[in-house]
Amino acid sequence: GAVVSQHPSRVICKSGTSVKIECRSLDFQATTMFWYRQFPKQSLMLMATSNEGSKATYEQGVEKDKFLINHASLTLSTLTVTSAHPEDSSFYICSARGDLAGGGRNEQFFGPGTRLTVL
Amino acid sequence: KQEVTQIPAALSVPEGENLVLNCSFTDSAIYNLQWFRQDPGKGLTSLLLIQSSQREQTSGRLNASLDKSSGRSTLYIAASQPGDSATYLCAVRPVGTGTASKLTFGTGTRLQVTL
Repeated sequence: GAVVSQHPSRVICKSGTSVKIECRSLDFQATTMFWYRQFPKQSLMLMATSNEGSKATYEQGVEKDKFLINHASLTLSTLTVTSAHPEDSSFYICSARGDLAGGGRNEQFFGPGTRLTVL
Repeated sequence: KQEVTQIPAALSVPEGENLVLNCSFTDSAIYNLQWFRQDPGKGLTSLLLIQSSQREQTSGRLNASLDKSSGRSTLYIAASQPGDSATYLCAVRPVGTGTASKLTFGTGTRLQVTL
């Protein structure tokens, strides 16, 4: 299957700082990217969806000024958690969807996740 | 609003046993359905994708079926191994395009395969 990478895999920061998480699709062009967060023993919660070159669509209750999403190219999306606080500590997972060469199935692939801890 | 339910929520079986995980969804207007596994502290690994026009897909010891009209999918795991221990999630994608076409996840089945 296709590969989606995330960086960093783990980050610890002080309250009030901003953290940027990168998500890359390594072997296909991701026309749509998704950002999720996951709390322990719970399912994924979609935060926002973005198409390359356009503004992200945020889910209800997700602050767009706090979670800045940039989908600058067909292989890269970034999530910036601005002025992070302890309640932002979570597991953040990105996902990418696009037509695989010769496949055309619009399958969705997930990154390995980023564990954010805000002290 | 689409709702996706998985039964059972947790399952423990001895190694070698064949098992079935169930997924049901309320709105049959789906584009496709995916099965994923998630290991603790990790992202999701796509196992199988079934298009709405398909009835089943197979990959190795895994077989997934889809009955769209009744809103059900099953994931069959043959000859289970301890390495199969993980949380299994099904997710449906609705008919539609663009950013509106997002996955709805099931609640997950936590599988433990014991020696």
